[in-house]
Amino acid sequence: QKEVEQNSGPLSVPEGAIASLNCTYSDRGSQSFFWYRQYSGKSPELIMFIYSNGDKEDGRFTAQLNKASQYVSLLIRDSQPSDSATYLCAVYNAGNNRKLIWGLGTSLGVNP
Amino acid sequence: ETGVTQTPRHLVMGMTNKKSLKCEQHLGHNAMYWYKQSAKKPLELMFVYSLEERVENNSVPSRFSPECPNSSHLFLHLHTLQPEDSALYLCASSQDGLSQPQHFGDGTRLSIL
Repeated sequence: QKEVEQNSGPLSVPEGAIASLNCTYSDRGSQSFFWYRQYSGKSPELIMFIYSNGDKEDGRFTAQLNKASQYVSLLIRDSQPSDSATYLCAVYNAGNNRKLIWGLGTSLGVNP
Repeated sequence: ETGVTQTPRHLVMGMTNKKSLKCEQHLGHNAMYWYKQSAKKPLELMFVYSLEERVENNSVPSRFSPECPNSSHLFLHLHTLQPEDSALYLCASSQDGLSQPQHFGDGTRLSIL
């Protein structure tokens, strides 16, 4: 089992729809969770971070964390063609072996 | 300038060359990182510096040598690289450590001939 797992996609949604991106992690002691967006040929940029169970909203983006089920999701409302990118999930564990583990990313395409 | 700046943006070098990658952050952060990004692989964290002290070296071959002269500057010295080292090398910074959001530079696209 991969430590951080994402569906590689591509995920395709129509413009205006809700895009739902999921990330599961194996280490139950993980504490910090990040979503980054990476456009083709560019570097990752931070979209959201979440530390506590529940939802965190920022504009069209909502991060949802469920530590019991060990997953974190990113919802993008009113998807725009400019949201087409790869979305990377990163999970941090501050235990004995402090680690930040990255997923492979999910490719999202928003069709006009 | 703002954010994290990396130079050069592109680098082509032979296996016997010596070159250096440079990173500068203008965010007042205390931690800086080097990553390697290759196709079909997750981001690989290579080195972690906190307050100019190397705190993590993730089993990186010695042909990669980092240097952090102060909290704003980070270098990656390259020597006798292999073709499999061709990748995008990203520098990032965060306020104090890995538990916090990171800001990335634009990266250096490295090709080894």
